[in-house]
Amino acid sequence: SQQGEEDPQALSIQEGENATMNCSYKTSINNLQWYRQNSGRGLVHLILIRSNEREKHSGRLRVTLDTSKKSSSLLITASRAADTASYFCATDPVYNTDKLIFGTGTRLQVFP
Amino acid sequence: DGGITQSPKYLFRKEGQNVTLSCEQNLNHDAMYWYRQDPGQGLRLIYYSQIVNDFQKGDIAEGYSVSREKKESFPLTVTSAQKNPTAFYLCASTGGDTEAFFGQGTRLTVV
Repeated sequence: SQQGEEDPQALSIQEGENATMNCSYKTSINNLQWYRQNSGRGLVHLILIRSNEREKHSGRLRVTLDTSKKSSSLLITASRAADTASYFCATDPVYNTDKLIFGTGTRLQVFP
Repeated sequence: DGGITQSPKYLFRKEGQNVTLSCEQNLNHDAMYWYRQDPGQGLRLIYYSQIVNDFQKGDIAEGYSVSREKKESFPLTVTSAQKNPTAFYLCASTGGDTEAFFGQGTRLTVV
């Protein structure tokens, strides 16, 4: 029962452009997290935003959270070819704190 | 260095065989998880464990089994009952914070 759905499924941009990915979820959450996965590798945690936060920054990453719309966005500014990867959101649901629920991911391709 | 280690990186299974995937962590995390990932797809939860000697089924537990005899170890057995086992398997752990640490994955192929 996946809770998170990312949009778009795939995104192709040029180096230097900004990349925006969106995540929608279904139930109340404690926090929402974004992860990155390089092809054939494990996931790496990028950033966590709590339900009482609206925006968070980490380097070139900006995450927003709108709990009224049950949605989040991840913005990568001034993208680089090395940012090419899949990006997943994961929610920590209030109803079940035992596990994270991952979305379907956005595949980002950044062309040099 | 603290981390989570999966082995082997590649695994081949014959029809009707059981195979076991290893997952070890030295992060002193209580919770551990197994996910399955199919090409171009998200992660689906197979099993998870919040404490030693206890584990719960995830969304797709059929055809899989686990054990949690030690805090550091959470092996996954893919049994012959799993009819479509070819996939990428990811193990993860979490501590007090819910940030998950992942292993590098095991790619299982049926031959």
